[in-house]
Amino acid sequence: NAGVTQTPKFQVLKTGQSMTLQCAQDMNHEYMSWYRQDPGMGLRLIHYSVGAGITDQGEVPNGYNVSRSTTEDFPLRLLSAAPSQTSVYFCASSYRRTGGLGYTFGSGTRLTVV
Amino acid sequence: DAKTTQPTSMDCAEGRAANLPCNHSTISGNEYVYWYRQIHSQGPQYIIHGLKNNETNEMASLIITEDRKSSTLILPHATLRDTAVYYCIVPDQGGSEKLVFGKGTKLTVNP
Repeated sequence: NAGVTQTPKFQVLKTGQSMTLQCAQDMNHEYMSWYRQDPGMGLRLIHYSVGAGITDQGEVPNGYNVSRSTTEDFPLRLLSAAPSQTSVYFCASSYRRTGGLGYTFGSGTRLTVV
Repeated sequence: DAKTTQPTSMDCAEGRAANLPCNHSTISGNEYVYWYRQIHSQGPQYIIHGLKNNETNEMASLIITEDRKSSTLILPHATLRDTAVYYCIVPDQGGSEKLVFGKGTKLTVNP
């Protein structure tokens, strides 16, 4: 049971490049989410999913796409990287049950856009 | 926007109880209170949650007032490893699918 696995752990992109941040969980969780955390700030929700085939926008979705073709995977795509997207990205998953045990977070992907 | 307010920072002596308050005056009857913490640079960690009864697990205790407008997270014997930012969260619509993090409380445990 690996929990929530994020890859890569570190990435440097040039402005305008695209890339996909990978997130996988092996706990059969229905809910998955992506957050970003800028230096000295709290976490902001980018996109989330309540199950395979269902996604929705969070607080800061612009510049990012997601899809959820399987229960296990929830990749985050940066369409055209910008320096403002330099951040630490966290993926998280949870059971669907209301009042459940909360989200399990991955260890993060540290992205720098130059 | 976050539906909770917390103090920006708190200090606690090692070995003493740390009591972290949270106000959630607009909470609805079916909305849970969740607590998470984030130790420097790591992903947030779930601590505990509750609806209206007090809760305790191996990490902490959660005391919710009778009117449910506030709660207190208690770390009974704080250690240096408990230094972290603690987030009190009330998810929307009674469900847990969408967590909105506020700024949290930076707890510093001093030797």
